[in-house]
Amino acid sequence: TQLLEQSPQFLSIQEGENLTVYCNSSSVFSSLQWYRQEPGEGPVLLVTVVTGGEVKKLKRLTFQFGDARKDSSLHITAAQPGDTGLYLCAGALTRGSNYKLTFGKGTLLTVNP
Amino acid sequence: GAGVSQSPRYKVAKRGQDVALRCDPISGHVSLFWYQQALGQGPEFLTYFQNEAQLDKSGLPSDRFFAERPEGSVSTLKIQRTQQEDSAVYLCASSLPPVGYSPLHFGNGTRLTVT
Repeated sequence: TQLLEQSPQFLSIQEGENLTVYCNSSSVFSSLQWYRQEPGEGPVLLVTVVTGGEVKKLKRLTFQFGDARKDSSLHITAAQPGDTGLYLCAGALTRGSNYKLTFGKGTLLTVNP
Repeated sequence: GAGVSQSPRYKVAKRGQDVALRCDPISGHVSLFWYQQALGQGPEFLTYFQNEAQLDKSGLPSDRFFAERPEGSVSTLKIQRTQQEDSAVYLCASSLPPVGYSPLHFGNGTRLTVT
């Protein structure tokens, strides 16, 4: 079973539309990060959320961490072709004093002009 | 260097060959991760180093996979007797502590194709 479930797996929309992608788990995370990955490159961090109920905004992107720290969402307003990419959530689970960062399978977003 | 560097960028190996993938992390980054990424999927955790200590190797698929970071800087992921199912992109990432709160800085990966 996948520790972090992302949905939808694929999303194709027109420029200017809004969208939300989800990251869900039955586990509680110390923190959750969102990354964006473009073809042929490594993922790049967008945001880190650490407090239950936390909302962070990054220009047209809004990130929310669930109250119970088990889930998160990413909302994009007025999507642009430059938003195209693979969006990944990653959660940190504590194992004693060590942290393990686990990724979801990702949402592949295509924004058409 | 400005970022995480991985080499080679592409590697084609015949089934049964051994391969070694190199990662140069950002200088001073204590934590180093290796991930395996299949096409269109998220990265799957392989192993984690804190300095030279390998603290978690629970994601290594088999005993054919071995990783080391002897001086707490450069790391090598070695795959012995490669199989077709080993074909994937291998990503290396480094960060400052604490993991999960600091950004993971990824290299661009090594694409391994086993024929």
